[in-house]
Amino acid sequence: DQQVKQNSPSLSVQEGRISILNCDYTNSMFDYFLWYKKYPAEGPTFLISISSIKDKNEDGRFTVFLNKSAKHLSLHIVPSQPGDSAVYFCAGGLYNQAGTALIFGKGTTLSVSS
Amino acid sequence: GAVVSQHPSRVICKSGTSVKIECRSLDFQATTMFWYRQFPKQSLMLMATSNEGSKATYEQGVEKDKFLINHASLTLSTLTVTSAHPEDSSFYICSASSGQGQNQPQHFGDGTRLSIL
Repeated sequence: DQQVKQNSPSLSVQEGRISILNCDYTNSMFDYFLWYKKYPAEGPTFLISISSIKDKNEDGRFTVFLNKSAKHLSLHIVPSQPGDSAVYFCAGGLYNQAGTALIFGKGTTLSVSS
Repeated sequence: GAVVSQHPSRVICKSGTSVKIECRSLDFQATTMFWYRQFPKQSLMLMATSNEGSKATYEQGVEKDKFLINHASLTLSTLTVTSAHPEDSSFYICSASSGQGQNQPQHFGDGTRLSIL
């Protein structure tokens, strides 16, 4: 049972345009959500997060929107830059006795062309 | 800030050997460290959560005797794959969190590619 789904394996966008990466989840108990960016041969790098009680969080060119009723979140990158080309992972965070567990989607590969 | 170093980046070894992977938080104290495993074209799967000074909490289906985790200090956690077999070949990656406040992100190492011949 995949609790976090990124249904688009890839996305191609022109430089300067908006990139919209989508993520759906099934577990309504997630406490917060995060987006990570991953370059080849490197570990994921934290980008932005949003609490489950919020519907929007913005940080520079990155904005995450959360629609709890639809169990859907999206990451908007505007304007997109060639350096944004990477794999983007969406993750849901759950607090438990041991700590915070992150459940990841499979990732979406973003390609930004100049 | 928030740098996590993972070593080695790649290991190739014979079946039956044990392999140790280190995960270090370089510029912060990691109250909690996490170990993930990723199969090709799949998402990162949490294997276990370790808090400094206590036993690790393993996810369902992960053999704790197979994957030994030690979190002896606030900056170091190790994962030892004991008596490794070809099916253990995978990409292992650690992350660390300072645990200060809610909604803290995890910071990841660059991962270890383990190949068992």
